[in-house]
Amino acid sequence: QVQLVQSGAEVKKPGASVKVSCKASGYTFTNYAIHWVRQAPGQRLEWMGWINTDNGNTKYSQKFQDRVTITRDTSASTAYMELRSLRFEDTAVYYCARGQCAGCYLTDSWGQGTLVTVSS
Amino acid sequence: DFVMTQSPDSLAVSLGERASINCRSSQSILSTSNNKNYLAWFQQKPGQPPKLLISWASTRESGVPDRFSASGSGTDFTLTISSLQAEDVAVYYCQHYYSAPLTFGGGTKVEIK
Repeated sequence: QVQLVQSGAEVKKPGASVKVSCKASGYTFTNYAIHWVRQAPGQRLEWMGWINTDNGNTKYSQKFQDRVTITRDTSASTAYMELRSLRFEDTAVYYCARGQCAGCYLTDSWGQGTLVTVSS
Repeated sequence: DFVMTQSPDSLAVSLGERASINCRSSQSILSTSNNKNYLAWFQQKPGQPPKLLISWASTRESGVPDRFSASGSGTDFTLTISSLQAEDVAVYYCQHYYSAPLTFGGGTKVEIK
């Protein structure tokens, strides 16, 4: 079955970077996009960006454009999201989600989430 | 960016009764090329990731109970739970996937009265 397993919780200081991984199994990795969505406490879900896992093309929300990088390792069926220059307000649960095709925006399976806490 | 507005923020419904959630997009999410509405509904239970319930505004995903239905077109959409069950207690989100950036509604918390 389709599974997206994310890396564990992180605690970071303001100004640091965090890199969250998302390992896919149960399907052909390069046939489906990976999106990253975050959920801050009490806030709505917020889309950060996505990667076409087949050709590596990415697109980011303008809000995160300068601070986020999404990559993938096709040999490991794993996608990564790196967020730099962390701020207190970046404290959130970060999810990866599978697009329904390599270039699809509709997501049909989500990872379990990774809590990133930014604290001094 | 498309702004998605949900109402109400929360609602309490008796078991077996109907629950309806509204979602409005700031711009039409109906594609004229394929006549499809790029609107999804997700269910999120505490401590869990969102789960896709409905795509293309009205298509139920496999395994989703048929008490869940959805309708609408253009800018106005509705998710209906025809007979609320205890396991339906959750927060429900609409999301457009018409173009990037994808955006979500603020969520509607459904509880048992």
